Amino acid sequence: GENVEQHPSTLSVQEGDSAVIKCTYSDSASNYFPWYKQELGKRPQLIIDIRSNVGEKKDQRIAVTLNKTAKHFSLHITETQPEDSAVYFCAAPYGGATNKLIFGTGTLLAVQP
Amino acid sequence: EPEVTQTPSHQVTQMGQEVILRCVPISNHLYFYWYRQILGQKVEFLVSFYNNEISEKSEIFDDQFSVERPDGSNFTLKIRSTKLEDSAMYFCASRAGTLYLPYGYTFGSGTRLTVV
Repeated sequence: GENVEQHPSTLSVQEGDSAVIKCTYSDSASNYFPWYKQELGKRPQLIIDIRSNVGEKKDQRIAVTLNKTAKHFSLHITETQPEDSAVYFCAAPYGGATNKLIFGTGTLLAVQP
Repeated sequence: EPEVTQTPSHQVTQMGQEVILRCVPISNHLYFYWYRQILGQKVEFLVSFYNNEISEKSEIFDDQFSVERPDGSNFTLKIRSTKLEDSAMYFCASRAGTLYLPYGYTFGSGTRLTVV
């Protein structure tokens, strides 16, 4: 079915540590994998994305890795800061007429100062 | 940076009333979506819209829901007879790319719908 599994549901780290969030998708045709950060009461904000023809992408302290064979992709945040605290969602497009995004269940990241 | 805009930001309505949520997608995007997020839960797909018609809808999007693109820029979601369980944040989104190479899904700031 159209499903994106995300783990863990909550993650607490000390400031300066790294955080890793993992997702699994089911549609082998999915070819684009975004990560969104959502602060309380606000919209999901795209923070990084990756296409299926690359295995890793970095943007400063944030990186995403993709394993197409295993249908896994992960978000890595290094040197975490208190302002990284938010809910993070992974998503994958599922085919059909318009490649709608299906979201994971979210990870509440708390960075302790 | 281009934005998706939504109005109103917050709407309170009586059960059984009709509501219309409005969105202006990014101007050169061709694919439009409505999503719903119940407080504390994940973002759920409702409906997608392309070429002036519904392309796909979820089980949530029943006969009480409808979408329109009345004037080539606005994109609306109507709920005909609201129920308490319709209370949620509703996000509009649009994206770039083609059907098989999607990217740049951009979300509006949302409308918080409260049904009392």
